[in-house]
Amino acid sequence: SAVISQKPSRDICQRGTSLTIQCQVDSQVTMMFWYRQQPGQSLTLIATANQGSEATYESGFVIDKFPISRPNLTFSTLTVSNMSPEDSSIYLCSVGEASSSYEQYFGPGTRLTVT
Amino acid sequence: AQSVSQHNHHVILSEAASLELGCNYSYGGTVNLFWYVQYPGQHLQLLLKYFSGDPLVKGIKGFEAEFIKSKFSFNLRKPSVQWSDTAEYFCAVHYPNTGNQFYFGTGTSLTVIP
Repeated sequence: SAVISQKPSRDICQRGTSLTIQCQVDSQVTMMFWYRQQPGQSLTLIATANQGSEATYESGFVIDKFPISRPNLTFSTLTVSNMSPEDSSIYLCSVGEASSSYEQYFGPGTRLTVT
Repeated sequence: AQSVSQHNHHVILSEAASLELGCNYSYGGTVNLFWYVQYPGQHLQLLLKYFSGDPLVKGIKGFEAEFIKSKFSFNLRKPSVQWSDTAEYFCAVHYPNTGNQFYFGTGTSLTVIP
């Protein structure tokens, strides 16, 4: 299983600013996923990030708001842009491989509060 | 749109009681099914998974789940819960043939009373 770390673990930001969340994996992985877990709700997939290609965004999420980078097979970033209080959430990074039917391993999450 | 339903939002059990958590998904195509657990203060961990074959799958810590295709269900069971099973449980569905979409249920909070 992969070990995943995220930075920062939590942050409090002002509205209108942007925050970049980093996700580091201890091994090379094909697919990385970014999720949002809003208070009292389930995980919602934001986008899938494969190395060397543009991220694939789910319905309701756009690149201008959530730009993603995937420069190599062990690292990815998610930026939450022009934040509003509605962006307050836990943001999770996970990894998976097609060879294991996309069984996912999750990072510890980044708790974001926008004031 | 596809969805995943977990019927029990909060379950409270005494130790040694049996557990069954319901999970239903909305689309009848090819699916991969998962249960994840989040213990207090920890990150999500895979509890068990179903890809194909025997519909009764066994996971860690004595958990098992049964895939019933005709009912679009993947219920989680444990015959005798322990205090250490107190956690949040999430059912997840992966549709490999429709754009690799993943859907998570809203979660079930399990509290086991010693």
